[in-house]
Amino acid sequence: QKEVEQDPGPLSVPEGAIVSLNCTYSNSAFQYFMWYRQYSRKGPELLMYTYSSGNKEDGRFTAQVDKSSKYISLFIRDSQPSDSATYLCAITVQGGSEKLVFGKGMKLTVNP
Amino acid sequence: GAGVSQTPSNKVTEKGKYVELRCDPISGHTALYWYRQSLGQGPEFLIYFQGTGAADDSGLPNDRFFAVRPEGSVSTLKIQRTERGDSAVYLCASSLVGGRAQFFGPGTRLTVL
Repeated sequence: QKEVEQDPGPLSVPEGAIVSLNCTYSNSAFQYFMWYRQYSRKGPELLMYTYSSGNKEDGRFTAQVDKSSKYISLFIRDSQPSDSATYLCAITVQGGSEKLVFGKGMKLTVNP
Repeated sequence: GAGVSQTPSNKVTEKGKYVELRCDPISGHTALYWYRQSLGQGPEFLIYFQGTGAADDSGLPNDRFFAVRPEGSVSTLKIQRTERGDSAVYLCASSLVGGRAQFFGPGTRLTVL
């Protein structure tokens, strides 16, 4: 079992839809949870960063962490064609190198 | 402000050759990471520098891979005797000391023929 599992999709939605992206993880030592967005042929761009269980909101984006279920989610409200990209969850532990462990990435297309 | 920069953006080489990939982190960021991303996969950790020293090189796949950061800023990832399986996008990221928000460069796309 991989440390971080993410459904790679692809996912195609109409403009304005609510998008839900999810990851599960196996290591309960993971403490920090991030979502990155990656456009084609570009580097990953940090979208959201959270530590505790619960929700964190930033504009149209909401990150949700459930440590008891080892489950994290990213919700995108009022999705736009410019949101079309690959979304990667990334997790790390406190201390040490804090290297990120990534999911496979979910390719999202928002159709106008 | 300037982000993380990487050069070259693309590198095509022949099997068995030596390559160097360069990373220029965000000014003031003392932590620097190298990752490798294969097609359809998430990035995989290679090595972490805190200042000039490699604090964690557990992700380097074998001894053909080596990285340096002699002055605590620019880093070079070196691959000897390249193999076709080394073809991937090599990503560099930097962060503040103790920061978990890592900022990535655009990557170097390496193709080994």
